Amino acid sequence: AIRITQSPSSLSASTGDRVTITCRASQGISSYLAWYQQKPGKAPKLLIYAASTLQSGVPSRFSGSGSGTDFTLTISCLQSEDFATYYCQQYYSYPQDFGQGTRLEIK
Amino acid sequence: EVQLVQSGAEVKKPGESLKISCKGSGYSFTSYWIGWVRQMPGKGLEWMGIIYPGDSDTRYSPSFQGQVTISADKSISTAYLQWSSLKASDTAMYYCARHSKMATIEADFDYWGQGTLVTVSS
Repeated sequence: AIRITQSPSSLSASTGDRVTITCRASQGISSYLAWYQQKPGKAPKLLIYAASTLQSGVPSRFSGSGSGTDFTLTISCLQSEDFATYYCQQYYSYPQDFGQGTRLEIK
Repeated sequence: EVQLVQSGAEVKKPGESLKISCKGSGYSFTSYWIGWVRQMPGKGLEWMGIIYPGDSDTRYSPSFQGQVTISADKSISTAYLQWSSLKASDTAMYYCARHSKMATIEADFDYWGQGTLVTVSS
């Protein structure tokens, strides 16, 4: 199985900051990576697929990059509604596992 | 409008069986893989497995193989996750989610159900 290592596990930031979350796959997964946002008590929401394609309706301050084994999610100017937990997921092969999650908290 | 509507919360005792459901609407149910994702209290997302309702082709995570059964009834556009003998460690929120690309196993999840909370306690 492909291992996905997501970092950091938690992050404190302020409104207006730029933050970056990374995911590393144990072997190459091309661009078969998605990013999700989850708020407490809610189902996850798809933000980015194919490593860098923004899902319809997602604000442009979210962006993704990378291919192969190393990927990043960047939020360019944090808004209050962005404080949540973020997960990456590889769907190159099954099990199509998720990263461990990054909890983004208000500083 | 695509919707996945899951069955309600369950409280069960260890050793009991359970089958929870996920009803799809607003799209061709038989043409998209549907997956199940576990989230234990305060923990992250775990990919359990997926099913293609068109032919019931199913893939499991090794972590869940033999522990649960994923099935689907395409006549009523519903996918299922079932246990034959629950354990306290099965206590979690369970989400169903749809793959974003028709008939494609390599895909992200674009629509999610609201979740079903399963509590197993004596």
